[in-house]
Amino acid sequence: GESVGLHLPTLSVQEGDNSIINCAYSNSASDYFIWYKQESGKGPQFIIDIRSNMDKRQGQRVTVLLNKTVKHLSLQIAATQPGDSAVYFCAERDQTGANNLFFGTGTRLTVIP
Amino acid sequence: DTGVSQDPRHKITKRGQNVTFRCDPISEHNRLYWYRQTLGQGPEFLTYFQNEAQLEKSRLLSDRFSAERPKGSFSTLEIQRTEQGDSAMYLCASSRQASVGLFFGSGTQLSVL
Repeated sequence: GESVGLHLPTLSVQEGDNSIINCAYSNSASDYFIWYKQESGKGPQFIIDIRSNMDKRQGQRVTVLLNKTVKHLSLQIAATQPGDSAVYFCAERDQTGANNLFFGTGTRLTVIP
Repeated sequence: DTGVSQDPRHKITKRGQNVTFRCDPISEHNRLYWYRQTLGQGPEFLTYFQNEAQLEKSRLLSDRFSAERPKGSFSTLEIQRTEQGDSAMYLCASSRQASVGLFFGSGTQLSVL
């Protein structure tokens, strides 16, 4: 089955610095990869997605990079703010059309003021 | 608030009791998903509906679990004869058929004593 995992369970950064959260995946057949942010007591919040035929996609303060050669996904957050403190999950979507997502374990990002 | 709504937010029950959770998706979304999340883990797919049809169920969904979406709008998830291992956050999400991102509710935290 699919396997989505993260390299680091925790990450601490100084406010204003850039953050990089990494993710490894094993299913080459996934057509989309998505990053979610989950704050305490809330459900996951969609951040950004990237199609499998792309290498890079940028959003507001966030950039996702996809390296299919090594099956690696990263989320870069520019000028990290205290409000960015949360658990970040990468997820991959299978191609059956059901839109089901398979999530990794998550990385807890802590922003130090 | 036009997001995904789940009720109740918290449920404490004794082992062996039945519980039912409700999810109201975003009104124009025809797909509805149930996920389960345990502490420190990413959400795990349970089942999904397209309109009123339940199209896929995970192996995680034992015979004690049943989900319905009778009119293609709100959905209920029932767990019969609860066990301590059922303790988790139960998340509901919805999406448009062609959309990649799922919109999650805040979840129902179930504790089985």
